[in-house]
Amino acid sequence: DGGITQSPKYLFRKEGQNVTLSCEQNLNHDAMYWYRQDPGQGLRLIYYSQIVNDFQKGDIAEGYSVSREKKESFPLTVTSAQKNPTAFYLCASSNKQGQRYRAFFGQGTRLTVV
Amino acid sequence: AQKVTQAQTEISVVEKEDVTLDCVYETRDTTYYLFWYKQPPSGELVFLIRRNSFDEQNEISGRYSWNFQKSTSSFNFTITASQVVDSAVYFCALSEADNFNKFYFGSGTKLNVKP
Repeated sequence: DGGITQSPKYLFRKEGQNVTLSCEQNLNHDAMYWYRQDPGQGLRLIYYSQIVNDFQKGDIAEGYSVSREKKESFPLTVTSAQKNPTAFYLCASSNKQGQRYRAFFGQGTRLTVV
Repeated sequence: AQKVTQAQTEISVVEKEDVTLDCVYETRDTTYYLFWYKQPPSGELVFLIRRNSFDEQNEISGRYSWNFQKSTSSFNFTITASQVVDSAVYFCALSEADNFNKFYFGSGTKLNVKP
């Protein structure tokens, strides 16, 4: 079945550590996204990528980094510079053709700083 | 400025009641898409509907219906005869012609349907 896989589902990080969240899609979508969700604040865009080897900052990119070396993969690294990383992280993808701009979402990763 | 506003933070209804979730958007583009997504407790966002700016026809899908009014920049979502399984957070979203690959989400409305 086609879809988006995020791993791990739950992640615990010690303060000062970098952690990487995985996002893989087999939908052959060009665009991929990372969103952060905090209670009562909806979804905020961290980074997005429209093609391989290219990505743009979203609204809250500080303290995060991404790479897009392969079409199907868009990992997100939460660095120690991110001061409040505890949140729910959602990865998504979309395409211009086919589903015409609809975004498909993964099941999310809940990151907790301990 | 907020591009998508969902003023209702949380709504509680009793099963079988009808409920309307409001969405107001802001854009200068004449071409854009509007979306509704459902987020159940599991966390994954489930796509419900996409509407383009040139199609103001209301849509009905089972117990769900959507009212798109460009004059008031609103795209409201109504659930008829609500059920407990409808309990979730619902998000409205917008994408614009200058970058259809960028989605702006509202803050979401949490719907509680009580038996």
